[in-house]
Amino acid sequence: QSVLTQPASASETPGQRVSISCSGSSSNIGRNPVNWYQQLPGTAPKLLIFYNDQRPSGVPDRFSGSKSGTSASLAISGLQSDDEAHYYCSAWDGSLNTWVFGGGTKLTVL
Amino acid sequence: QLQLQESGPGLVKPSETLSLTCSVSGGSITSSNYCWDWIRQPPGKGLEWIGNMYSSGTTYYSPSLKSRVTMSVDTSKNQFSLNLNSVTAADTAVYYCARHGNGVQWGFDPWGQGTLVTVSS
Repeated sequence: QSVLTQPASASETPGQRVSISCSGSSSNIGRNPVNWYQQLPGTAPKLLIFYNDQRPSGVPDRFSGSKSGTSASLAISGLQSDDEAHYYCSAWDGSLNTWVFGGGTKLTVL
Repeated sequence: QLQLQESGPGLVKPSETLSLTCSVSGGSITSSNYCWDWIRQPPGKGLEWIGNMYSSGTTYYSPSLKSRVTMSVDTSKNQFSLNLNSVTAADTAVYYCARHGNGVQWGFDPWGQGTLVTVSS
């Protein structure tokens, strides 16, 4: 069982917007920033969002992050077939003293 | 551009020690602004943080693996290493190394391509 909870799957059609949720607790998301990773099939994860809503250089502004209380969300607008991937949220857990991840959400672009 | 590359045996016997090295190119491992992490992913499953270390030698390990993990750094070779002892089939995973900014607001970036380690006799 992952410490952070994500839906196992999500789907939407090209051009549309999809949102992926990540639920945690007061010891992780509630007090620390959230990062998001994109893992394309057969590749290593790639940092997509850091510090809740910041995009690393090179990440399109179609990707956005937000956080409220003990939950966070990743939104992807203008969906493209290349966005088909697994998406993981992550945060530091101050009680467990470890980085924790969500179980991952598999995004399908229909 | 910073690049990381994992290397090590792809097959380890149960009860033995898993040893991996991460070679860093395009930047120095001695920067005080960063730490260096190991993360693993069992086949078809999610991500698990193993631990990290600074070039000074300071280490932080996941509590669930702490009793079996040792990390070290070789600044002369711009490399850092992971040792995981007493392995079982549950340790079969793709092992990634990654850089991490100093602070919880930074993410793991970049990652190595990963190396699959299978624990089997």
